[in-house]
Amino acid sequence: QKEVEQNSGPLSVPEGAIASLNCTYSDRVSQSFFWYRQYSGKSPELIMSIYSNGDKEDGRFTAQLNKASQYVSLLIRDSQPSDSATYLCAVSGGYQKVTFGTGTKLQVIP
Amino acid sequence: EPEVTQTPSHQVTQMGQEVILRCVPISNHLYFYWYRQILGQKVEFLVSFYNNEISEKSEIFDDQFSVERPDGSNFTLKIRSTKLEDSAMYFCASSETRTGYNEQFFGPGTRLTVL
Repeated sequence: QKEVEQNSGPLSVPEGAIASLNCTYSDRVSQSFFWYRQYSGKSPELIMSIYSNGDKEDGRFTAQLNKASQYVSLLIRDSQPSDSATYLCAVSGGYQKVTFGTGTKLQVIP
Repeated sequence: EPEVTQTPSHQVTQMGQEVILRCVPISNHLYFYWYRQILGQKVEFLVSFYNNEISEKSEIFDDQFSVERPDGSNFTLKIRSTKLEDSAMYFCASSETRTGYNEQFFGPGTRLTVL
């Protein structure tokens, strides 16, 4: 069973702080890694994708990938109350199917 | 910005009835997917579709489910005889590439309630 594991949270951070979200995956042949944001009652929204080891930055978001450790993370700098949502880690093996984790609920406290 | 659309936003049906959920993928995308999310649980893959045929399906996607692209824009999911446990949010997604960089963009979802 190919799994994507995340801490369910909630992760509480004060406004303006860095939020750090983590994810591990079990399938070593995974090739594509994604972070989706999901507000309550809404659909997943793609915010970051990463394919090679290292860091990828996009605005306030940085995704980090370590394939040797089978570890993906997402850093959110200068966290805002509007960032409060559930963050889904998702993994694809190069085929079409994407496997999702259960998500980490982030709460940004004003 | 192009987006995936889905109709209806909410569907209520009686157990044993057939439902059809509709999706319009992003126009230049070639790959289409259905996922579901039972309340409080994770997003689960159902099926992927390319070139007018199913390319992958999960164990959830049994004989009561079917997908179709009836024309050049719509992509549908049919559930033939709904069960109580089919109650969930159903998301359609699409992507324009297949291997490796499979960025999938999701529609707003259809909330299916089976009574």
